[in-house]
Parts: sequence; C-alpha cells; structure tokens
Amino acid sequence: DIQMTQSPSTLAASVGDRVTITCRASQSISNWLAWYQQKPGKAPKVLIYKASDLESGVPSRFSGSGSGTEFTLTISSLQPDDFATYYCQHYNSYSSRTFGQGTKVEIK
Amino acid sequence: QVQLVESGGGAVRPGRSLRLSCAASGFTFSAYGMHWVRQAPGKGLEWVAAIWFDGTYEFYADTVTGRFNISRDNSKRMLYLQMDSLGDGDTAVYYCGRDKGLFGDVVVDWGQGTLVTVSS
Repeated sequence: DIQMTQSPSTLAASVGDRVTITCRASQSISNWLAWYQQKPGKAPKVLIYKASDLESGVPSRFSGSGSGTEFTLTISSLQPDDFATYYCQHYNSYSSRTFGQGTKVEIK
Repeated sequence: QVQLVESGGGAVRPGRSLRLSCAASGFTFSAYGMHWVRQAPGKGLEWVAAIWFDGTYEFYADTVTGRFNISRDNSKRMLYLQMDSLGDGDTAVYYCGRDKGLFGDVVVDWGQGTLVTVSS
C-alpha cells in the first residue's frame, strides 16, 4: 500500500494565522488526494478532493495544492472553528485508500 | 437528508466474528460507492474497506485483508462488514461512509459510528 506521511503532527497557531500542513506520498499518486477535518467526538468532514477542489459548502479560506508525491493544505486565516485535526487521504478507484496520521491544530 | 446508521458493534472475544450493518436513507443508495472507516480510541482514522456502487469491486486495507468482507444489498439499502478472526488491533469506532461518486474514493457523508471492543 501507498504510505501517506503528514507534517507536522501538531501545530500551534493563533486566530488569523496562515497555516500550512504537508502530506507526502510514498509514491506518485497524481492528484488523487483528499483532505478532511475532524473535531473531537465528531465524524470527519471532507474539505478538499482531487488535491485542490473545494468541497461544496467549505469556506474559501481552505485551499489545497500539489501533485505527485507532495501536497499541502492551507488555511489562509485561521478561525476559532478551525482548531481540529486534519487528515490527508490517498484514493484510487482500483486500489486501496490510505489516510495520513493526522495533524492537530491547537491554539497557541 | 443523508442518513447512515450503523449497528452491530459491541464487545467480542479475540478470534471471534462480528457483523456490522449500515442502514442508508436520504439518497439513491445504488448510485454511490460506500466505505467503512475505523478509529481506535485516541488514534487517527484508518480506512478499512470500500465497495463500488454496484458491488463489482471491493477493496481492503492490508490490515484486514483476508479477515474482513464488505458487501451491500442495494434492494435493502444496506451496507455490511463481516469481521472474522478479530484481534485487539480491531478495537475501534467503525464508521459507515457514503462516497462522493460511484467508486468508493472520497467519503462525503458519515454515520455516527459503532464501537467494537475486542477483549478477553
């Protein structure tokens, strides 16, 4: 299986900060990557798919970029509602799907 | 609106089996791929299995291949996960998920989860 590695594991930031999370794939995955947000005790919510497409209803401060093996999720101006854990996920219709280990965004 | 309701979780001894069910409503079930995703207590998300909209193909994580089987009954709007040879590492909340499209790629809707505890 393809391995997905996120960095950092934890990130401390303040409201208004620009935040960037990186996800690296163990081999090229083209742009088959999604980003999810999860808050404690809740199911995850998809933010981005196909590396850079914003899911309907997701605020435009969230953006994704990258292709091949390196991807980023950027929050342009961190809001109080954004403190959560973020996961990247590789997907491929003909093989397995893999999550990264997660990045927790905490209040600084 | 989309509703996914999991059932069948509980406590089970190592080596035993369990079958999870997911009842779907609020969308055309036969037109979407479906997933099972799990999360061990205090840990991250782990994708478990996915199935195409028509059941043609199934996909599994390496950690469950050969032990778990995903299936669906489109006439009943039901998704299932048969889990055999359960071990401690299978203790988790199991989420049923609806895909964005046909082939089980991106999970856009989630159930509330059902807890499976494997313990002697």
